[in-house]
Amino acid sequence: AQKVTQAQTEISVVEKEDVTLDCVYETRDTTYYLFWYKQPPSGELVFLIRRNSFDEQNEISGRYSWNFQKSTSSFNFTITASQVVDSAVYFCALSDMNSGYSTLTFGKGTMLLVSP
Amino acid sequence: DGGITQSPKYLFRKEGQNVTLSCEQNLNHDAMYWYRQDPGQGLRLIYYSQIVNDFQKGDIAEGYSVSREKKESFPLTVTSAQKNPTAFYLCATGVDSRYQETQYFGPGTRLLVL
Repeated sequence: AQKVTQAQTEISVVEKEDVTLDCVYETRDTTYYLFWYKQPPSGELVFLIRRNSFDEQNEISGRYSWNFQKSTSSFNFTITASQVVDSAVYFCALSDMNSGYSTLTFGKGTMLLVSP
Repeated sequence: DGGITQSPKYLFRKEGQNVTLSCEQNLNHDAMYWYRQDPGQGLRLIYYSQIVNDFQKGDIAEGYSVSREKKESFPLTVTSAQKNPTAFYLCATGVDSRYQETQYFGPGTRLLVL
């Protein structure tokens, strides 16, 4: 069975600090995709990144960066120079194929609080 | 505006009552999904659909029903059989669930039991 673990329930930082959100996954599939979503207080999930299992290159998008390590089954997310607007719950998710259809397994999320 | 709309934003249910949550999209996506989110929990899949008039049960389908009569619409009914319906419900769409595409989410509906 697929499983996604986000061990950090809540993280508090002060603005401008760097912060890393951890994500560890379990799957028997050889081809899979990993995702990160942001859920601000409004509730809507905002897509951040999709990464396939064959691409282990790190990705950077502005202040955001992702480190995918297949050897440790981890897909960690780093925010550099955090800002108050980064305060949200962040979810890591893993795709799964069920009878020919793709579904997502989500971790329980990490709440990030950035204070001024 | 392109996107996913969910209504109502808040919904109150009385004991023994069925209620229906609306999800509409104009992204021309084939796949649609319903998730439930409880406080401090991740999202759990209720139902999903790839094409009109076809849908599959997710991990927690008991007490829920859906229909897919139009590509744009995927309403979720929370029946009286669902004993603990208070939660945040999120609808999502994807280009094609036969491939591991990105899912995009609507704004959600909060269901409260009176």
